[in-house]
Amino acid sequence: KQEVTQIPAALSVPEGENLVLNCSFTDSAIYNLQWFRQDPGKGLTSLLLIQSSQREQTSGRLNASLDKSSGRSTLYIAASQPGDSATYLCAVPFRNNNDMRFGAGTRLTVKP
Amino acid sequence: EAEVAQSPRYKITEKSQAVAFWCDPISGHATLYWYRQILGQGPELLVQFQDESVVDDSQLPKDRFSAERLKGVDSTLKIQPAELGDSAMYLCASSSSDRGYEKLFFGSGTQLSVL
Repeated sequence: KQEVTQIPAALSVPEGENLVLNCSFTDSAIYNLQWFRQDPGKGLTSLLLIQSSQREQTSGRLNASLDKSSGRSTLYIAASQPGDSATYLCAVPFRNNNDMRFGAGTRLTVKP
Repeated sequence: EAEVAQSPRYKITEKSQAVAFWCDPISGHATLYWYRQILGQGPELLVQFQDESVVDDSQLPKDRFSAERLKGVDSTLKIQPAELGDSAMYLCASSSSDRGYEKLFFGSGTQLSVL
């Protein structure tokens, strides 16, 4: 059984800070891990996809790392902006398909 | 950029009524998913289609929920009768692969409120 946990549940930081969001999963036999962003009342937007053979992926100010052996991933956001305020969710496939198991998310607030 | 289309955006209904949600995936995506997201939680899979075939509906409450994708393109999720506990965001997603290698693309969702 795959369980995904995200810590912290909520985070508030002043604009300009660098921050780290954490994701842990119980079954390390995964194909990949995805980080998503969700704005209130909206759908999810895929931010980064890390394949199991990769250690990290970068997109702009975002950097995601993956440590399969320890069952952990981190999402690093550099120079945070108010527009980064949203809920960030991580997800891993369960079994050999795209039945993604999601964490409950970290709700990020970046204050101007 | 191609998007997953969902409608309606919001739905308010009374307990015991029937509701239906529609999804049109990104063109060419053979794999389509319906997820349910309760406020404050991550999405949970209800049903997965590969073309017109159901791959996984083990989490779908089949006594009241049904899903179809007749021509392997767009899909409909139905609830009959709706219950108070069905209030949630219903999200549709699509992918070009069913093997866990590719990104999932989500629609904007349908927010259901059952009164």
